[in-house]
Amino acid sequence: GQNIDQPTEMTATEGAIVQINCTYQTSGFNGLFWYQQHAGEAPTFLSYNVLDGLEEKGRFSSFLSRSKGYSYLLLKELQMKDSASYLCAVRDDWGYGGATNKLIFGTGTLLAVQP
Amino acid sequence: EAQVTQNPRYLITVTGKKLTVTCSQNMNHEYMSWYRQDPGLGLRQIYYSMNVEVTDKGDVPEGYKVSRKEKRNFPLILESPSPNQTSLYFCASSLNRGTGHEQFFGPGTRLTVL
Repeated sequence: GQNIDQPTEMTATEGAIVQINCTYQTSGFNGLFWYQQHAGEAPTFLSYNVLDGLEEKGRFSSFLSRSKGYSYLLLKELQMKDSASYLCAVRDDWGYGGATNKLIFGTGTLLAVQP
Repeated sequence: EAQVTQNPRYLITVTGKKLTVTCSQNMNHEYMSWYRQDPGLGLRQIYYSMNVEVTDKGDVPEGYKVSRKEKRNFPLILESPSPNQTSLYFCASSLNRGTGHEQFFGPGTRLTVL
């Protein structure tokens, strides 16, 4: 079956570092995406991992371990504007020749940044 | 400005009254998709389209129709809406070839079916 697990909620303090974990079990794997979604708004792309290791992008980093079916998003120097939901999504179109671009989303982690 | 647009942004309707939610992108993307987002369930794919005249079902297609007559447009049609289709709907688009192409999302359409 297809399953993506993330914590439902997290709280962190402004200026701190927070790590949001994501574990997945999917029939195929062709990359993992992280999106940010503010309440009532569209998801916006944060990062993409297809190979094992760490990808860094400013205050945001994302890590992938394919053998463990595990990823995390690391947010540094937290700001109040980082309060949002963070969605983990696996591209699972293996077996279709990479044709469908199908994303399976987790239910998201709601991060609250406190002063 | 590169973007995905959806209309209407908000809609309240009654059971059985046919409606269409439009989606348009100006990035010349081949791939387009519709999702619904419900509390506790995350984003679930309704239908997707690989290119003009090529569409296929996602995970929750029942009660919905789509068409892709032009590359830029991908309307979502609810022939006979029911209350269980009350949800937040997102259209998304991306390049199709290769890997790592993120999906760009429209602003969302909040639909209430009474």
